[in-house]
Amino acid sequence: DAGITQSPRHKVTETGTPVTLRCHQTENHRYMYWYRQDPGHGLRLIHYSYGVKDTDKGEVSDGYSVSRSKTEDFLLTLESATSSQTSVYFCAIRGRANTEAFFGQGTRLTVV
Amino acid sequence: AQSVTQLDSQVPVFEEAPVELRCNYSSSVSVYLFWYVQYPNQGLQLLLKYLSGSTLVKGINGFEAEFNKSQTSFHLRKPSVHISDTAEYFCAVITGDNYGQNFVFGPGTRLSVLP
Repeated sequence: DAGITQSPRHKVTETGTPVTLRCHQTENHRYMYWYRQDPGHGLRLIHYSYGVKDTDKGEVSDGYSVSRSKTEDFLLTLESATSSQTSVYFCAIRGRANTEAFFGQGTRLTVV
Repeated sequence: AQSVTQLDSQVPVFEEAPVELRCNYSSSVSVYLFWYVQYPNQGLQLLLKYLSGSTLVKGINGFEAEFNKSQTSFHLRKPSVHISDTAEYFCAVITGDNYGQNFVFGPGTRLSVLP
């Protein structure tokens, strides 16, 4: 398995609270991605990073922010969680030379 | 923008029968195509990929896929399925040059293999 760790694996939080999800890699890969998975939508890109402090928005970025201060860590923050952000969140990594993405085990987030 | 269509949201099939999961993508100059599998409560695992060359690509677990540029399709096939193939399957595409490529995923097809 590619060295990707997502934490926490499960979280229940209340509407309006901030939440941060962490993705940690040991592969030294350049690209990192955050996706959300919802029934009938497949995986949708939230934000991605192409290097330290280099990030960009995906198709469903509203309500989310990211930071990457080190190559190995990519943080996803929900500034004020809403029920529509209840989802399973996946982190993925990809090296410059490799074309496929490797996925973490996912974080199941429930906003009540 | 690139898009991926998986027409079948669910495919039930009996064990040892053949299966085809369909994937179509919107046209682009150059594409890389992938099939991923997701078992319950797990992340996505790469089944196979098409980058260039032979249009018939073989992957893990006996799966194969054929790239058809004229029909913009990348259908996944297996001649004889097992119970353990029950999972959700995602087709994905990336386009452009090697810098800043992002994956676009289809909505997924849930394969249920029946005894």
